[in-house]
Amino acid sequence: EVQLVDSGGGLVQPGGSLKLSCAASGFTFSGAAMHWVRQASGKGLEWVGHIRSKANNYATAYAASVRGRFTISRDDSEKTAYLQMNSLKTEDTGVYYCTRLWIGWSAFDIWGQGTMVTVSS
Amino acid sequence: QSVLTQPPSASGTPGQRVTISCSGSSSNIGTNTVTWYQQLPGAAPKLLIYNNDRRPSGVPDRFSGSKSGTSASLAISGLQSEDEADYYCAAWDDSLSAPWVFGGGTKLTVL
Repeated sequence: EVQLVDSGGGLVQPGGSLKLSCAASGFTFSGAAMHWVRQASGKGLEWVGHIRSKANNYATAYAASVRGRFTISRDDSEKTAYLQMNSLKTEDTGVYYCTRLWIGWSAFDIWGQGTMVTVSS
Repeated sequence: QSVLTQPPSASGTPGQRVTISCSGSSSNIGTNTVTWYQQLPGAAPKLLIYNNDRRPSGVPDRFSGSKSGTSASLAISGLQSEDEADYYCAAWDDSLSAPWVFGGGTKLTVL
């Protein structure tokens, strides 16, 4: 079965750190561009960042709101993508989804179930 | 404030046809393809339309997409109660600040 499973969310204090994981199965993970998208409670979707495949030099890009604080990485041998979040702010609170960008369609075709991150003192 | 503009809400009765708009600019919709996502309550988003007007396997043909200039639309015909959800448009943006942009979402209510 083709799926992504998000994990690692939880409660963290402002200024703290958290690392999310996205485990893939059912497709060739090593060739996929993996993205993170977040959603604050009752709000819309916000693109967070992405990491491309080895063939594209594992290039990364980030939204301005998280640049310099968040880092996306991947372990192709474990078929897992990661989102390391540092210097967390209350406005980073929300559900974080990993998703695969299907290049041929230029679309996010597979989504994880999401993991909740709460930044609060 | 989302880069792509959608109406916050839409509604219709069962069997009706509903259209949701998505307005962007020359750096996103005007240059690149549009995708649409459906998010049922408490669930992750699901791809509904790609390349402006293509449906993935399994998406009913009641859903259709179109694009003209810097705007796009999602149409749902033969509205059903299970279509009640949030709908988001998205596109690649050529500006460096945010490669991928989403609309603010439209909450569709089936009356």
